[in-house]
Amino acid sequence: AQTVTQSQPEMSVQEAETVTLSCTYDTSESDYYLFWYKQPPSRQMILVIRQEAYKQQNATENRFSVNFQKAAKSFSLKISDSQLGDAAMYFCAYRRRGSNYKLTFGKGTLLTVNP
Amino acid sequence: KAGVTQTPRYLIKTRGQQVTLSCSPISGHRSVSWYQQTPGQGLQFLFEYFSETQRNKGNFPGRFSGRQFSNSRSEMNVSTLELGDSALYLCASSPGQGPNTEAFFGQGTRLTVV
Repeated sequence: AQTVTQSQPEMSVQEAETVTLSCTYDTSESDYYLFWYKQPPSRQMILVIRQEAYKQQNATENRFSVNFQKAAKSFSLKISDSQLGDAAMYFCAYRRRGSNYKLTFGKGTLLTVNP
Repeated sequence: KAGVTQTPRYLIKTRGQQVTLSCSPISGHRSVSWYQQTPGQGLQFLFEYFSETQRNKGNFPGRFSGRQFSNSRSEMNVSTLELGDSALYLCASSPGQGPNTEAFFGQGTRLTVV
């Protein structure tokens, strides 16, 4: 069974600075997707960034980028120029490629942004 | 394009009762997945429906069931409610096939069992 581990229950960052959230996963599959979701107090889960395992290039979305290390099964999220609106719970998630839309989530990291 | 709509947003039920939650996916999406979110267990997958068929199921007791209608709207039912069923129930909508892999979530239904 696939598992996703987020080892940092809480993180904090100063506004305008950079923070990195960690995620490791375990799978025997070679083709899969990895995601970072953000859940603000409104509870709406919002997709931040997506990485396809067969792509070596790390995904980037504006201030958000990932460091995907397939051999190490590591998938960290870097947030640059942190903003107050980035404060939220962040979840790392895994999905096997194919007709299986089941997402396996980590426990989450609560990110606080200090002004 | 309208997002994923879950109703109701909040629900209070008594132990032993049953409850039905509803999810309307994004237009054109044929896959609907359900997740239970609790402080202790985190986000756990309940089941996924695609074109009215259950395609995948998580490790939950038979008291948890679901269905999907021809318009892709989905309902989730929990019978004989227990205190431990108190949770945020999230629904996710996806195309269900093809290269687009994104799942879009609704705002959830907060269920409290007393």
